[in-house]
Amino acid sequence: KAGVTQTPRYLIKTRGQQVTLSCSPISGHRSVSWYQQTPGQGLQFLFEYFSETQRNKGNFPGRFSGRQFSNSRSEMNVSTLELGDSALYLCASSLGLPGGTDTQYFGPGTRLTVL
Amino acid sequence: AQSVTQLDSQVPVFEEAPVELRCNYSSSVSVYLFWYVQYPNQGLQLLLKYLSGSTLVESINGFEAEFNKSQTSFHLRKPSVHISDTAEYFCAVIGFNDYKLSFGAGTTVTVRA
Repeated sequence: KAGVTQTPRYLIKTRGQQVTLSCSPISGHRSVSWYQQTPGQGLQFLFEYFSETQRNKGNFPGRFSGRQFSNSRSEMNVSTLELGDSALYLCASSLGLPGGTDTQYFGPGTRLTVL
Repeated sequence: AQSVTQLDSQVPVFEEAPVELRCNYSSSVSVYLFWYVQYPNQGLQLLLKYLSGSTLVESINGFEAEFNKSQTSFHLRKPSVHISDTAEYFCAVIGFNDYKLSFGAGTTVTVRA
């Protein structure tokens, strides 16, 4: 079974631009979660999508948004990029069982650099 | 909200020696606990998790962790490490109130021959 794939793997943008990252979950998984990983803040939860609906949300500004398609693929968008948005963005997929007990499978991440 | 503290940021250890990675959490509600491992240039992989039942949980590659509710800890141990265990290890918690996965800052384990 193919794992979680993320595209692109690396991205360089300038301040003020916007960016879209893509995540394809494991086949059969209906939940996709996004995380930001930085040296200073560590791993932080952005949001979770389940059956095309945002089910959970972290404490990030509205510049960070996402969506999920009917095939469970998900995209994350960051508008008006800031230098501090430079990070590794990880997505994770799972079956989406209620209560958080099922295992999340992580992709390799997209490394975003904002200049 | 939940928080996780990993007490050691770096742990150097010799091959075949034991290792313990310390993790404490803070939560006003019941939690599930996880350890994830991140090998260089790879995504995170689940190592083991505690949901309920026996407080001692084991992974397939020799790691074990014990949930201690009174001390709010979930320390990870391995009796004999290999070079291939060199990685960053993250302790994480999900609270029963928000079901968001919160991670600790990570512990880098470097195994030397």
